[in-house]
Amino acid sequence: DVKVTQSSRYLVKRTGEKVFLECVQDMDHENMFWYRQDPGLGLRLIYFSYDVKMKEKGDIPEGYSVSREKKERFSLILESASTNQTSMYLCASSPPGQAYEQYFGPGTRLTVT
Amino acid sequence: AQSVTQPDIHITVSEGASLELRCNYSYGATPYLFWYVQSPGQGLQLLLKYFSGDTLVQGIKGFEAEFKRSQSSFNLRKPSVHWSDAAEYFCAVGASGTYKYIFGTGTRLKVLA
Repeated sequence: DVKVTQSSRYLVKRTGEKVFLECVQDMDHENMFWYRQDPGLGLRLIYFSYDVKMKEKGDIPEGYSVSREKKERFSLILESASTNQTSMYLCASSPPGQAYEQYFGPGTRLTVT
Repeated sequence: AQSVTQPDIHITVSEGASLELRCNYSYGATPYLFWYVQSPGQGLQLLLKYFSGDTLVQGIKGFEAEFKRSQSSFNLRKPSVHWSDAAEYFCAVGASGTYKYIFGTGTRLKVLA
């Protein structure tokens, strides 16, 4: 079974802090994704990566950056956390040639105070 | 613009009753369509997908969905709901030529004993 893990289930940070959210997948997937999930808004794509060191902006990249130095790991970075970034963050990965079959991690609930 | 609409925010059914969750999409070409389920505190799990071919798609956990091009719909059904089906359900459209999903805002299902 595909396993996508996220470094933390719950995280509390202060405004202005730099925040790192880590995602690791164990199935050699090329494609990885970061979403945020907010009530009434569904899931919105922040960034995705289709290869090591490759990244593309999603629908809401402002205030975020990403890093993919190794195939199995995709990090989401909040350079200076703000309260409007309080949300559930979901990571996903998908196999090569099957970008639509995404497997999701359990999510990180981030609270910025 | 591409969009996905889930018109029901909440649905309550009795255990053993049938279920239909609605999903309508707006897309210029043949869409790739998906249903995901999210149990409380969990990530998203793929229930089923439609790419082409037979318009009635079988998924896991006894769910099925029917693609109706004339109605731009991809409704999810289950003949007899179990208490463990209580969760949030997301419909998604895959955008051809990209890696992006467009998610609906979700339908939260409550099951009465």
